[in-house]
Amino acid sequence: EAQVTQNPRYLITVTGKKLTVTCSQNMNHEYMSWYRQDPGLGLRQIYYSMNVEVTDKGDVPEGYKVSRKEKRNFPLILESPSPNQTSLYFCASWGVAGNTDTQYFGPGTRLTVL
Amino acid sequence: AQTVTQSQPEMSVQEAETVTLSCTYDTSESNYYLFWYKQPPSRQMILVIRQEAYKQQNATENRFSVNFQKAAKSFSLKISDSQLGDTAMYFCALLEAGNNRKLIWGLGTSLAVNP
Repeated sequence: EAQVTQNPRYLITVTGKKLTVTCSQNMNHEYMSWYRQDPGLGLRQIYYSMNVEVTDKGDVPEGYKVSRKEKRNFPLILESPSPNQTSLYFCASWGVAGNTDTQYFGPGTRLTVL
Repeated sequence: AQTVTQSQPEMSVQEAETVTLSCTYDTSESNYYLFWYKQPPSRQMILVIRQEAYKQQNATENRFSVNFQKAAKSFSLKISDSQLGDTAMYFCALLEAGNNRKLIWGLGTSLAVNP
């Protein structure tokens, strides 16, 4: 089954404790992206990747890091989380061939930073 | 700059009736795509329907159809024979062809289908 998976689905942590949210897709997509969703602000792009080892900032990259060492994986790293990073996070992927314009989303990760 | 506007924060409809959700957008590009995504209480983001800007024919997916007015930059979603499972937040999104292929999102319309 074609899918995007994220782990963990829920996470409660404390300020300053480094964490990683994993994202993996099995569709061989070139593009991957991270979004955060906050009430009243919609979805905002954090980082995106056009292929292995190619990443770029989105609209709200501060406080986040990403890496794309393999095509299927695109982890989101919070080196020193702060309460303003409490949010719902989505990973998405999409491809170059075929239906290139449709993004497929993971189930979301709800992060709470205390 | 690209923008997507959903002017109806909340709507409700009776089961089996028809409801239309509005979306307007702004872009200077000629090549772009439009989407409606559904987000039920589970928070999963589910694609409902997509429309290529170069196609004049309105997209249809079962009970869901769009009214795409390119000149007016309007992209409304019609849900026919509404079902309780249609209760969700609905987001309109714009994607411009380009390297980033970033989705620009509206703020959503919360739809409640009442029995």
